[in-house]
Amino acid sequence: GDSVTQTEGPVTVSESESLIINCTYSATSIAYPNLFWYVRYPGEGLQLLLKVITAGQKGSSRGFEATYNKETTSFHLQKASVQESDSAVYYCALGANNNAGAKLTFGGGTRLTVRP
Amino acid sequence: GGIITQTPKFLIGQEGQKLTLKCQQNFNHDTMYWYRQDSGKGLRLIYYSITENDLQKGDLSEGYDASREKKSSFSLTVTSAQKNEMAVFLCASSDNTEVFFGKGTRLTVV
Repeated sequence: GDSVTQTEGPVTVSESESLIINCTYSATSIAYPNLFWYVRYPGEGLQLLLKVITAGQKGSSRGFEATYNKETTSFHLQKASVQESDSAVYYCALGANNNAGAKLTFGGGTRLTVRP
Repeated sequence: GGIITQTPKFLIGQEGQKLTLKCQQNFNHDTMYWYRQDSGKGLRLIYYSITENDLQKGDLSEGYDASREKKSSFSLTVTSAQKNEMAVFLCASSDNTEVFFGKGTRLTVV
């Protein structure tokens, strides 16, 4: 089946440091998966951070970037300079692009804490 | 914008009890989902529904029932709660391009 593996948390970095959260995927049942990063801030629901549906493309949002690399089956999340407000749990996910809906397969989540 | 409302926010049940979680969405989305999230683990799909009265099993459907009574609502039933079970259940809906999530129902079984 399909699977997503991401950096195990917790991850702690200091404000203004750079960040990378690794994500690799295996899409055995989906020829051209869509890739997503979701984030859950404290006290809030899970929400979409960014998505990329085409291999080779980069998605970006709130200073975060991720590039869809089909060769290495990776979708790492990066930010050049984190802020305390980025403290959250981040989930990498893949989904099919078909009429049955965007059923998602999630990674285990990475809890990020940014020290002031 | 729309919203997904899950009730209750917290649910405490007893071993063997049948428990029902409810979800409402006002996005007018066709597809709705129930995911289970265990501490330190990713989300796992329990059931989904692509239209009213439709039900599709996910990877974790055993021990659960679901019902899509109308387009805007999707309920999940834990058929027999397991002792010491703790998890967060997330409802979601999608328009085939993006999935939107509710804030979850936290279940504790004593």
